[in-house]
Amino acid sequence: QSVLTQPPSASGTPGQRVTISCSGSSSNIGTNYVYWYHQLPGTAPKLLIYRNNQRPSGVPDRFSGSKSGTSASLAISGLRSEDEADYYCAAWDDSLRGPVFGGGTKLTVL
Amino acid sequence: QVQLVESGGGLVKPGGSLRLSCAASGFTFSDYYMSWIRQAPGKGLEGVSYISTHDMIYDADSVRGRFTISRDNAKNSLYLQMNSLRAEDTAVYYCARVLGAYDAPDYWGQGTLVTVSS
Repeated sequence: QSVLTQPPSASGTPGQRVTISCSGSSSNIGTNYVYWYHQLPGTAPKLLIYRNNQRPSGVPDRFSGSKSGTSASLAISGLRSEDEADYYCAAWDDSLRGPVFGGGTKLTVL
Repeated sequence: QVQLVESGGGLVKPGGSLRLSCAASGFTFSDYYMSWIRQAPGKGLEGVSYISTHDMIYDADSVRGRFTISRDNAKNSLYLQMNSLRAEDTAVYYCARVLGAYDAPDYWGQGTLVTVSS
């Protein structure tokens, strides 16, 4: 059972905009930064968004992050087939004193 | 560029021990918090252990008392000593850099597989 809650699946067609939600609590998302990763099968997670809405160099501006209260969202616009992957959110948790993760959302591009 | 390379995984019997290592390069290792994250087959990510720049340590309840994280800044290396291993510890273990206090990981290694089975 993951500390952060994500929908297990999401889907969209090429060119569409999709959003993935991440719900937490006052001890994690409510007070700390949110991170987003994507993961292709057999590979390590790769950072997409850090500190709520910052994109590392090399990540396209089609990816954007937002946070409100104890929830956060990842938006992907102009969906492409190569966006098909698992997406995870993460945040530091003050009560557990460590980083916690969502259960992951499998994105399918139809 | 930032590189994290794990080693030390393998097959071990229940109750056995393993020591994972992570060689870091491309950044000033001593300036960063570091962590071990694991992923059981077909499952999500789980934070295992975390160490600050001043050796403050956090361990997940599932490994507390069995796993020990440590770092050697002179060798730019992170370690995870795993004792009393259980079948449920079977996972890919990732070494990950943490951007700062109260942050989650930014860079990840490629992972090393630990299989606990008789």
